[in-house]
Formats: sequence, C-alpha cells, structure tokens
Amino acid sequence: NAGVTQTPKFQVLKTGQSMTLQCAQDMNHNSMYWYRQDPGMGLRLIYYSASEGTTDKGEVPNGYNVSRLNKREFSLRLESAAPSQTSVYFCASTPTSASKTQYFGPGTRLLVL
Amino acid sequence: SQQGEEDPQALSIQEGENATMNCSYKTSINNLQWYRQNSGRGLVHLILIRSNEREKHSGRLRVTLDTSKKSSSLLITASRAADTASYFCATDGTGGYNKLIFGAGTRLAVHP
Repeated sequence: NAGVTQTPKFQVLKTGQSMTLQCAQDMNHNSMYWYRQDPGMGLRLIYYSASEGTTDKGEVPNGYNVSRLNKREFSLRLESAAPSQTSVYFCASTPTSASKTQYFGPGTRLLVL
Repeated sequence: SQQGEEDPQALSIQEGENATMNCSYKTSINNLQWYRQNSGRGLVHLILIRSNEREKHSGRLRVTLDTSKKSSSLLITASRAADTASYFCATDGTGGYNKLIFGAGTRLAVHP
C-alpha cells in the first residue's frame, strides 16, 4: 500500500500559469482533502470531498478548483497562479467523512514567481 | 482563523529528557488530535483524545485535555533524536464533516 501519493513533489510556476496537483489514495477511503501549509501557520483547508461526486469549499478556496475524478483521485487546480499561492500543498484522506484520523500525502512544494 | 495554538513555538532538548508541548483552542470541541511532521514530509497521526477524556497514553506519549481551560498538552518521555519533528494539534471545527483546524505547531529538536 502506497497510502496517499502526490505529484509533483516540487514545481516552479510563473505568475499567471496554470497547473494541476494530483493526489491519489489506495486505501479505499471515501473522503479526501486539500490543505496548504505556510510558514508559521498550521494547515488550512482549501477544499474537501466527502465522497465521490461531491466537493465543498474549505477555509481558503479562492484561486483554486478541485475535481474528484473517482474514488481514488482528487486533483487541485490553480487556473492563474499568484505569488500568494507559494506554499506546500498536502492531500489527505479519511475512510469516511465522520472519521477523525486523517492520512496525509508527502506534499507538493509550489513556488510561484 | 486558527483554532489551536501551540506553545512553545520551538523547543530544544537533549536525548533522554522529556518534552512538553501545549495547545490552546478557542471553541468547544468534540476531539483533539496530535500529529507529527518530519522535515519535508506529510503529517502523521499520533493520538486522538475525546472531549470526555482527560488523559490518554500511547507508548512514550501522554496527552492531557482540560476542556475548562480549552487546552491540551503532549508529553514525550525519554525523548530520542528520532523525535525531532514539528508537532501539531488539530481540533474538529464546526460546520459538519471532518474539518480539522490545525495550530501553527511546535518545532522540537532533540540533540544526541
């Protein structure tokens, strides 16, 4: 079991470029989450998907879109990257939306110039 | 807005010593969790304590919860160099689903 995997591990973008961060889990979990982590701050929820076919906004959704492609995969898209989106992005999953323990991927470090 | 705030922000100790980290939060919770993050890695769940529990143990970890003070502490006993990491508390927020709200974390350095 690979758990939660994320690609790419590191990416540099220019302001205005777009990209998609990929996340996949092989634990048959129903719920998936995207967070960003900035220096000196805790993780902040961007979007989550309680189950396949549903997505909802978290605390900081502006500038992002998500797609729950299937039960395994949950992608995060930046349509027009801004320097303020420089961050480390983490994907997580839980067996159900009521489950408390979250399982995290290794993260994607994004630098927007 | 952040729910949990850890204290201290950074902690440096010698191997064998105990490390204590504190977390304060603002609103009522159902559960509080502690996670560890090694440098450049994702978060790993350590322990969950429910609002009706006061203390919980897992190996060298001891977590306490004081809901009247809206605070929790994580004690790592007999620390090892491998315990060097950042430690985050996370509380279940309001609004349904499993939305965790994380604090800014405590960076622990354990020196051999």
